Amino acid sequence: DIQMTQSPSTLSAFVGDRVTITCRASESVKTWLSWYWQKPGKAPNLIIYRASFLESGVPSRFSGSGSETEFTLTISSLQPEDSGTYYCQQYTSYPWTFGQGTKVEIK
Amino acid sequence: QVQLVQSGAEVKKPGASVNVSCKTSGYTFTTFPLYWLRQAPGQRLELMGWIHTGNGKPEYSDNFQDRVTISRDTSASTAYMILSNLRSEDTALYFCARVSYSYGLDFWGQGTTVTVSS
Repeated sequence: DIQMTQSPSTLSAFVGDRVTITCRASESVKTWLSWYWQKPGKAPNLIIYRASFLESGVPSRFSGSGSETEFTLTISSLQPEDSGTYYCQQYTSYPWTFGQGTKVEIK
Repeated sequence: QVQLVQSGAEVKKPGASVNVSCKTSGYTFTTFPLYWLRQAPGQRLELMGWIHTGNGKPEYSDNFQDRVTISRDTSASTAYMILSNLRSEDTALYFCARVSYSYGLDFWGQGTTVTVSS
């Protein structure tokens, strides 16, 4: 199975800060990578697909980049409603696997 | 609009089985596979298996191969996941999600809490 590793595990930032989350794959996933945002007890929501494409309805302050084994999710100006846990997920080979998550907190 | 609605919370004793359903609407059921995933408290999302909704063929992750059964009823646009021989470690939030090969998992059920306790 492809292992996905995110960093940091938690981050705390102020409203308006630029925030970056990194995701590394144990082998190349090309650009078959998605990012999800999840609130506790709720289903994840797709925010980025194919590494850099913004899902419909997702604010433009979110962006994704990367390919092969290194990916980043950036929030250009953190908003209070962005708190939660963010997961990367590869879908190049079965089983599709997730990172361990990055919990984003607002200071 | 696309919706996936799961059955309600369950409390089970160790050794029992649980059956979780995922009723879909808003799209052609047989066009997209469905995944089943779970999330134990404080843990990452874990794939349990999936079903090709067109031909009904399930595939299971190694960790659940012996205990999970996934099926579907095309007339009801519904998928089912049965997890047997439950143990306390199976206490988790269980999700179904629609598979899109372009997007990943683009629509999700609301989640079903399964609690295993004696």
